[in-house]
Amino acid sequence: DSGVTQTPKHLITATGQRVTLRCSPRSGDLSVYWYQQSLDQGLQFLIQYYNGEERAKGNILERFSAQQFPDLHSELNLSSLELGDSALYFCASSRGRERYNEQFFGPGTRLTVL
Amino acid sequence: TQLLEQSPQFLSIQEGENLTVYCNSSSVFSSLQWYRQEPGEGPVLLVTVVTGGEVKKLKRLTFQFGDARKDSSLHITAAQPGDTGLYLCAGLIQGAQKLVFGQGTRLTINP
Repeated sequence: DSGVTQTPKHLITATGQRVTLRCSPRSGDLSVYWYQQSLDQGLQFLIQYYNGEERAKGNILERFSAQQFPDLHSELNLSSLELGDSALYFCASSRGRERYNEQFFGPGTRLTVL
Repeated sequence: TQLLEQSPQFLSIQEGENLTVYCNSSSVFSSLQWYRQEPGEGPVLLVTVVTGGEVKKLKRLTFQFGDARKDSSLHITAAQPGDTGLYLCAGLIQGAQKLVFGQGTRLTINP
């Protein structure tokens, strides 16, 4: 158990819909990262937040957005969903200030868009 | 273009055999991490290597960081079915806090 929690575990929805994925980092971690993992794309970095502020952006679509709240939990919002958005979405956390940026991953949310 | 190339992409061997997985790049990394991921679960951090030429051992797993900090290898001795999984290397880009992941090596150890 990494200490990172994600909800829900599974999500099935239809094209055009909007969903919210939730992540709670390990106790004491200030940084939260979101990744998308699909079969043909590997683990793709989406976005990072540090202590409530956006720190880095990766290959995140404009239809996707995220935020980190004062209690440090984070939410990833996916809108106007397309079939191709079906994937595993992982959240990871780290202390945020350490030298090696070791990240600890949650169990993931499996999103299926029908 | 993949910044970190892992090879092989797929490897299926018999229990008891040895294997090596490679992670290569043209970029220099401040550090390099190896993760293992099992189906339906998140990646789990195995080790971090930070010094060029560094070798770290974790039971039957040996991790090496290249002298120039551009590549790394993972060697497993006497592989067991419990070693089955997706092995991911991830490099921390020098001067940044961004972690870049390789595509992974899917390892299957057959009993």
